Amino acid sequence: GAVVSQHPSWVICKSGTSVKIECRSLDFQATTMFWYRQFPKQSLMLMATSNEGSKATYEQGVEKDKFLINHASLTLSTLTVTSAHPEDSSFYICSARGGTGGSGYTFGSGTRLTVV
Amino acid sequence: KNEVEQSPQNLTAQEGEFITINCSYSVGISALHWLQQHPGGGIVSLFMLSSGKKKHGRLIATINIQEKHSSLHITASHPRDSAVYICAATGNQFYFGTGTSLTVIP
Repeated sequence: GAVVSQHPSWVICKSGTSVKIECRSLDFQATTMFWYRQFPKQSLMLMATSNEGSKATYEQGVEKDKFLINHASLTLSTLTVTSAHPEDSSFYICSARGGTGGSGYTFGSGTRLTVV
Repeated sequence: KNEVEQSPQNLTAQEGEFITINCSYSVGISALHWLQQHPGGGIVSLFMLSSGKKKHGRLIATINIQEKHSSLHITASHPRDSAVYICAATGNQFYFGTGTSLTVIP
């Protein structure tokens, strides 16, 4: 079945540093990638939608200069959390439209970010 | 009020029981998704529905467009079904329910 590989699975970083999260579609082309954030005991929140070769569309309230999204190829999208702060600590997960998931969406395994 | 409401929030069942999780939405949608999130955080997409009913193994998902309601059923539940089940509606944007935490006891 289709797989989206997300790395790293967890990361701890110091305040003020930047962290890059990668999502790769391994056996299909992901023309659209979605990035979500999930705080403890809460549901997913869509942060942005990216289409290969174009700028990402950010949801209301999500700072595009803080959460940089790059979708330079049909198999790779990256989310960079710039100048991270403790309040950015969260679970970040991507999903790609395509592949053979039950809904046509395939999810990465998620990245748990802790900013200290 | 959330655009997507799920019930129950928490559910404990004995192995073998028939389980139903409900989802109601208040916005116009193009599709309704059911997702399964395991304790480690990984998410599996189970179903996408725009009408009727879909079945995959022991899982059945139904949707009633007129009533803006969807249900996820699990037959012959098993401890490995223990997870958080999330209902998500897609229309102009994604709307997520808060999830139903299911624990199936052996």
